[in-house]
Amino acid sequence: EVVLTQSPGTLSLSPGERATLSCRASQSVSSSALAWYQQKPGQAPRLLIYAASSRATGIPDRFSGSGSGTDFTLTISRLEPEDFAVYYCQHFANSPMYTFGQGTKLEIK
Amino acid sequence: EVQLLESGGGLVQPGGSLRLSCAASGFTFKNYAMSWVRQAPGKGLEWVSGIGGSGSVTYYADSVKGRFTISRDNSKNTLYLQMNSLRAEDRAIYHCAKGVAGATSLDSWGQGALVTVSS
Repeated sequence: EVVLTQSPGTLSLSPGERATLSCRASQSVSSSALAWYQQKPGQAPRLLIYAASSRATGIPDRFSGSGSGTDFTLTISRLEPEDFAVYYCQHFANSPMYTFGQGTKLEIK
Repeated sequence: EVQLLESGGGLVQPGGSLRLSCAASGFTFKNYAMSWVRQAPGKGLEWVSGIGGSGSVTYYADSVKGRFTISRDNSKNTLYLQMNSLRAEDRAIYHCAKGVAGATSLDSWGQGALVTVSS
């Protein structure tokens, strides 16, 4: 089973700054199986990035994903007030079907 | 617009049973794999179970294997999760989620149903 470790646990930044979130896999994974989600309090998760670097429908271009092998990154180029939330990376495999990282909380500084 | 609406959550005693339903609309339900993902209060996301579009293939997390059963009725566009032998650690919000083509990620989620296991 692939274990995903996200860092940092909490990231404190100001609107307008650049955010860089990391997701490290315990073994090399296919980029096609790596996704990122955003979750705001009281809401369901929302798919941001699939296949490591492709933006989901309706996602602003300030969100970008990159990486390969064991190291993946979600970058928010210029933070908007609505971007402060918890972010999860996710890996798809046969069993278990999906594993999630523990999450990174992006908070306003 | 894709909509997923869960129902059937509630309070149940340890060892009890509950069945969740997820009514889907806005897409051709039978063409997509579906999953249940749960989130304990203040915790992260945990995938629970998945099912292929036809319903013939199912998958379970080790934590629920043998206790939970996923199923779907494509004629009713509805996904189910039968939960038996419930434990305190099963307490969570249970979201149903739609897989993308190829099921590598989950592109639509319901708001979730709260399951509380307590005596």
